Amino acid sequence: EIVMTQSPATLSVSPGERVTLSCGASQSISTNLAWYQQIPGQAPRLLIYGADIRAAGIPARFSGSGSETEFSLTISSLQSEDFALYYCQQYHNRPPYTFGQGTRLEIQ
Amino acid sequence: EEQLVESGGAVVQPGGSLRLSCAASGFTFDDYPMHWVRQAPGKGLEWVSLISWDGSNTWYADSVRGRFTISRDNSRNFLYLEINSLRPEDTAVYYCAKGRLLSNWFDPWGQGTLVTVSS
Repeated sequence: EIVMTQSPATLSVSPGERVTLSCGASQSISTNLAWYQQIPGQAPRLLIYGADIRAAGIPARFSGSGSETEFSLTISSLQSEDFALYYCQQYHNRPPYTFGQGTRLEIQ
Repeated sequence: EEQLVESGGAVVQPGGSLRLSCAASGFTFDDYPMHWVRQAPGKGLEWVSLISWDGSNTWYADSVRGRFTISRDNSRNFLYLEINSLRPEDTAVYYCAKGRLLSNWFDPWGQGTLVTVSS
């Protein structure tokens, strides 16, 4: 099973700041990585797939990068609605498809 | 608009059984693989199961294999998860999600249905 590790667990930032979240894979997954945003009490929402492709309707301030084992999600200028939980997920080859443990963005 | 709506969650005693349903609309259901993903209270996301577009192939997480059964009815646009031998650690919100033929990211997700295993 491929283990996904996200860091940090919690990030305290201010609106308008630029922030980068990290995600690592225990083995190479090429660019088979997705990012999701989850607001507490809601279902997750797809932000990024293919490591760097924004999903439909996702604002341009969200960008993804990386390949193989190291990935990042950057939010260029935090808006109030961006304070949420963020998960990475690998979908390399066959199941199981695994998630990172999540990074919580909170208002500083 | 693509939409998924889960139902069937309940409070169940340990060892009990339940069937979850997911109604799909807004897309050609039998073109896509479908998944179940769960989230225990206050915890992260855990992939549970995948079914191919035609139902001929299924995959399960080790934690549920042998107890959970995924199925689909393409004539009615429904996805199911039969859950048996429930354990307290199965307590979670269960989400259905649409996959992709060769690249299984999840989009969209349903709103989830809560399964609570408690005596």
